[in-house]
Amino acid sequence: QQQVKQSPQSLIVQKGGISIINCAYENTAFDYFPWYQQFPGKGPALLIAIRPDVSEKKEGRFTISFNKSAKQFSLHIMDSQPGDSATYFCAASKVYTGKLIFGQGTTLQVKP
Amino acid sequence: DAGVIQSPRHEVTEMGQEVTLRCKPISGHDYLFWYRQTMMRGLELLIYFNNNVPIDDSGMPEDRFSAKMPNASFSTLKIQPSEPRDSAVYFCASRHLQERTEAFFGQGTRLTVV
Repeated sequence: QQQVKQSPQSLIVQKGGISIINCAYENTAFDYFPWYQQFPGKGPALLIAIRPDVSEKKEGRFTISFNKSAKQFSLHIMDSQPGDSATYFCAASKVYTGKLIFGQGTTLQVKP
Repeated sequence: DAGVIQSPRHEVTEMGQEVTLRCKPISGHDYLFWYRQTMMRGLELLIYFNNNVPIDDSGMPEDRFSAKMPNASFSTLKIQPSEPRDSAVYFCASRHLQERTEAFFGQGTRLTVV
């Protein structure tokens, strides 16, 4: 059972543009929603995360928007740069267990 | 700290052989996770440990897979016998519940079974 659905599968954005990746979850017991960034040959690394008690969190050019009633959350990358080209994974878990359930991933390409 | 250390980085083995993947978590972390990454299935959780005790192994695909954590600084994932469909990148991750919610991933082991 796929508990976290992510879209789109791939995304091409021009430098300076906005990249938007969406995720939806099913389990209302989840209380931790991170986004991980993965470069080729590397392990995933935490980019930004949010708890369900806030609707938005911003760190630099990266923003998570969270809609608890719709069970959806999204990642916005402002002023996208070629160095942002990577695979992005949303995930969900219960904080206590840390058992991350990942979305399928989005491959982002930022063109110069 | 050097982060989560996995070995080997690459492993090529023949079908039917035993394969052992190794992981050294970040010192002081009390949770350890094993994930598998494939193009078809993405990142799947195989098993996780809390204080060296296996808590949830529901993601282990079949009895050919086994994992151990004999102490706080070492874990193994063993596949016996290996099959071509086991080819994937296997990641180990660790976290400290009280300090941070973030899980730190190793560089992964790319396994190819021929």
